[in-house]
Amino acid sequence: DQQVKQNSPSLSVQEGRISILNCDYTNSMFDYFLWYKKYPAEGPTFLISISSIKDKNEDGRFTVFLNKSAKHLSLHIVPSQPGDSAVYFCAAGSTTSGTYKYIFGTGTRLKVLA
Amino acid sequence: DSGVTQTPKHLITATGQRVTLRCSPRSGDLSVYWYQQSLDQGLQFLIQYYNGEERAKGNILERFSAQQFPDLHSELNLSSLELGDSALYFCASSPRQGGNEKLFFGSGTQLSVL
Repeated sequence: DQQVKQNSPSLSVQEGRISILNCDYTNSMFDYFLWYKKYPAEGPTFLISISSIKDKNEDGRFTVFLNKSAKHLSLHIVPSQPGDSAVYFCAAGSTTSGTYKYIFGTGTRLKVLA
Repeated sequence: DSGVTQTPKHLITATGQRVTLRCSPRSGDLSVYWYQQSLDQGLQFLIQYYNGEERAKGNILERFSAQQFPDLHSELNLSSLELGDSALYFCASSPRQGGNEKLFFGSGTQLSVL
């Protein structure tokens, strides 16, 4: 049972344009969400997070939007740069369930074309 | 550098063998998480420890076990290895029990079972 889904395995975007990566979840107990970026041969690195009490969080070129009713979140990267080419994972956790594991999606490989 | 250290970086072994993966969390972090990434799969949660105690369990096989020691480093033991156990194993740490904390990942141990 995949509780966190990233339905697009890959995405190609021109440099300077917007990249939109999507993530859906099924468990209504999830109330904290994170995005990670992963380069080859490295561990995932934290990008940005959002709590369910918000619907938007922004950090520089990265913005995460949360639609709780649709159980959907998205990561916007504007403008996209070649160095953003990586695999992006969304993750979901619960602050109220008593367990503290984060469930990750399968990732979206972003390629930013120069 | 996330501050999380995993050893070894690469491990090649044969079916039926047993291996131990080691993780040193960031200084001051009390929680350690283990994740498995197989080809084309997301990060599958295996197990979490907090201050020496098991706190959450994922789809960890019975052939796998883990522990967190008093100095907070953790080991993941994989026994009776099968070809399908070949994967990238990540360790992550966080200051407390998670829920609304970001995880810091090590660079992983690539396990190849031949």
